[in-house]
Amino acid sequence: AQTVTQSQPEMSVQEAETVTLSCTYDTSESDYYLFWYKQPPSRQMILVIRQEAYKQQNATENRFSVNFQKAAKSFSLKISDSQLGDAAMYFCAYRSAYGDDKIIFGKGTRLHILP
Amino acid sequence: EPEVTQTPSHQVTQMGQEVILRCVPISNHLYFYWYRQILGQKVEFLVSFYNNEISEKSEIFDDQFSVERPDGSNFTLKIRSTKLEDSAMYFCASSEGGRGNDGELFFGEGSRLTVL
Repeated sequence: AQTVTQSQPEMSVQEAETVTLSCTYDTSESDYYLFWYKQPPSRQMILVIRQEAYKQQNATENRFSVNFQKAAKSFSLKISDSQLGDAAMYFCAYRSAYGDDKIIFGKGTRLHILP
Repeated sequence: EPEVTQTPSHQVTQMGQEVILRCVPISNHLYFYWYRQILGQKVEFLVSFYNNEISEKSEIFDDQFSVERPDGSNFTLKIRSTKLEDSAMYFCASSEGGRGNDGELFFGEGSRLTVL
């Protein structure tokens, strides 16, 4: 069975600085999707960034980028130029391309932005 | 921008009571999901629904749970006889396609269920 592990329950970063959130996963599958979802307080989860496992190039979305290391089963999220609006719970998630049709989430990392 | 909406945002109920959580998915979406998150724990998959039937369910989704799409717009989760351990945040999600597309799910804000 697939698992997703986020080892940092909470992190803090100074506004305008860069922060990296860690995520590792375990799977025997070769094709899958990886996601980072953001959940601001009292708001729904929204997709931040997506990575297809067959793509070697790391995904980027404006200030958000990932470091996808398929062999190491690592999928970290880097937030550059942190802003107050980035404060949220961040969930790393896995979805099989061919097997079970569900997203498997990590426990989340709560990110605090310090003004 | 279209979004998934859920009601109620918070429900308090007595153990043994029936609860119905409602969701309105994005209108052109075809795949629907329920997830839950017990406080301090992972977001867990409960069930997926496509073409008016359950396509997949987890071990959590036992006979106490049921889902339906009664009118083509709402997608409901019913818990027949709530237990204390059902207290959690329940998230509805929908997607336009299955995994054949980019796999993105759109989530609602969640319904917090408290069982006393």
